[in-house]
Amino acid sequence: GAGVSQTPSNKVTEKGKYVELRCDPISGHTALYWYRQSLGQGPEFLIYFQGTGAADDSGLPNDRFFAVRPEGSVSTLKIQRTERGDSAVYLCASSPSGGVFGTDTQYFGPGTRLTVL
Amino acid sequence: AQSVTQPDIHITVSEGASLELRCNYSYGATPYLFWYVQSPGQGLQLLLKYFSGDTLVQGIKGFEAEFKRSQSSFNLRKPSVHWSDAAEYFCAVGAGGYSTLTFGKGTMLLVSP
Repeated sequence: GAGVSQTPSNKVTEKGKYVELRCDPISGHTALYWYRQSLGQGPEFLIYFQGTGAADDSGLPNDRFFAVRPEGSVSTLKIQRTERGDSAVYLCASSPSGGVFGTDTQYFGPGTRLTVL
Repeated sequence: AQSVTQPDIHITVSEGASLELRCNYSYGATPYLFWYVQSPGQGLQLLLKYFSGDTLVQGIKGFEAEFKRSQSSFNLRKPSVHWSDAAEYFCAVGAGGYSTLTFGKGTMLLVSP
């Protein structure tokens, strides 16, 4: 079956611009996660959705970052006034139910590589 | 807050040799532990996970890991490495009421012929 997909695969933008990154989770998965992976680092948690609501957004670095999941499936990560330090690979993952470690596995997409010039 | 340390940034192993990748975690209670593999241009793929019970966990692609509470470790092992195992490996810990993961910085595995 189809896995998690992310678009675009690469995004180059200029400092100060606005960008949107899209994530299509596995059909039926209620939990969705965004992570950011900087060069030479492991993924860092940004935000976790359970259905349409953000259950935990404690990883968002500042108020320039915002994410939505209006219908409980596709999610969009939005970054305003981009800075060079935002350059990273943004990873999306989904899992069947979230919050229940015994049965859940997070399935990751290939990521969007964001470069801010 | 929980944390994960992967002491080795790079490891080179000859094809056919055994492999052990180290992972140490910090967490106050019983952790949930994971190993993921990331190949170039690919998403993270789960190799195995530990929640409770038997401390030796079997995963996909012939990998296994052993949870040692006394050492706060969850090392990944494979008895015979194949060239296709060359990739970056991430250890992660899950904790608290959510399924969010804290990852280590990763270990890049290089396989020599």
